[in-house]
Amino acid sequence: GAGVSQTPSNKVTEKGKYVELRCDPISGHTALYWYRQSLGQGPEFLIYFQGTGAADDSGLPNDRFFAVRPEGSVSTLKIQRTERGDSAVYLCASSPGTGDYEQYFGPGTRLTVT
Amino acid sequence: RKEVEQDPGPFNVPEGATVAFNCTYSNSASQSFFWYRQDCRKEPKLLMSVYSSGNEDGRFTAQLNRASQYISLLIRDSKLSDSATYLCAVADFNNDYKLSFGAGTTVTVRA
Repeated sequence: GAGVSQTPSNKVTEKGKYVELRCDPISGHTALYWYRQSLGQGPEFLIYFQGTGAADDSGLPNDRFFAVRPEGSVSTLKIQRTERGDSAVYLCASSPGTGDYEQYFGPGTRLTVT
Repeated sequence: RKEVEQDPGPFNVPEGATVAFNCTYSNSASQSFFWYRQDCRKEPKLLMSVYSSGNEDGRFTAQLNRASQYISLLIRDSKLSDSATYLCAVADFNNDYKLSFGAGTTVTVRA
């Protein structure tokens, strides 16, 4: 079946601009996670959704970052007033969410802030 | 101290060799353990979940040592296609199952 998809695959933006990154999880997966990965590091947790609600947003670095999942499926990660330090690969993962917590990752969005 | 630590390597091994490496974790409440494989500029792909009794999947064997708080991955009969970065991840049921990752161990298998 279809895996996790993310768009765009690459995004180049200027410092100070607003960006939206989209994640479409595996069909039927209720749990959705956003991570951020910098070069040479493992992914770092940003936010977790169970259904439509953000159950844990403790990983968001500051209030410029926000994410939504209005219908419990597709999620959008929003970054306001981008900074060069936001440059990274943003990964989305989903899992069935009940009894099975293995997470499957999408291909990521490579964000470059110039 | 980082929550999950891995030897970055690189481990350079000839085809057919056995290679093994560990990952240590600091949170004793961790309950789920995983190995992911990541190729250059690609997403992590789930390789194995690690069960308390240890588990094997073909040439790959994972072990968990709760007392010493580490997990290991062993690759037998290495193939060129095993060249990748191997990421260790741990999760806590009480913490929304979010994964904490190590920085990865790089394995290069040479002909």
